Amino acid sequence: DSGVTQTPKHLITATGQRVTLRCSPRSGDLSVYWYQQSLDQGLQFLIQYYNGEERAKGNILERFSAQQFPDLHSELNLSSLELGDSALYFCASSVEGASGDYNEQFFGPGTRLTVL
Amino acid sequence: DAKTTQPTSMDCAEGRAANLPCNHSTISGNEYVYWYRQIHSQGPQYIIHGLKNNETNEMASLIITEDRKSSTLILPHATLRDTAVYYCIVKVRWSNTGKLIFGQGTTLQVKP
Repeated sequence: DSGVTQTPKHLITATGQRVTLRCSPRSGDLSVYWYQQSLDQGLQFLIQYYNGEERAKGNILERFSAQQFPDLHSELNLSSLELGDSALYFCASSVEGASGDYNEQFFGPGTRLTVL
Repeated sequence: DAKTTQPTSMDCAEGRAANLPCNHSTISGNEYVYWYRQIHSQGPQYIIHGLKNNETNEMASLIITEDRKSSTLILPHATLRDTAVYYCIVKVRWSNTGKLIFGQGTTLQVKP
């Protein structure tokens, strides 16, 4: 158990719909990352938040958005869903040192999204 | 961040050492080598990281060549539970972001 929790575990929805994935980082971790893993693209970095602020962006579609709340949990919102958005979505968290030293990331169990 | 090259797949007999190579010939001086693994659709798991000295923890050993252009992850006594995809990632440790860029990794199959 990494200490990172993600809900829901599975999500089945239809094209055009909107869903929200939730992540709770490990206690004390200020950084939250979102990754997408699909069969054809592998594990891809989407976005990082640090203490409520966006820190880095990867290949995240405009239809996707995320935020980190004051209690440090994060949500990934996916809208206008397409068949190709079906994937595993992982959240990870890490501790950042005072000098920007990024330690190892701890990953949650993932949310499996199926778009029909 | 530097790119890495890993074999697509490897087999290892249970109880033997598993040696997973990684080439990172364009690594720069401030980049570390990180290893993660992913056991069948679970979240990736951190294993070990290093800069230039060999490193060992309870999970594995990391051997980095003197020129730092390649490294080897060693699982000393592989078990069936070590069957997973192993990712070698090179990244700057002190950076404005800790994002990880995953390649295709090496699928390690541990056989009885």
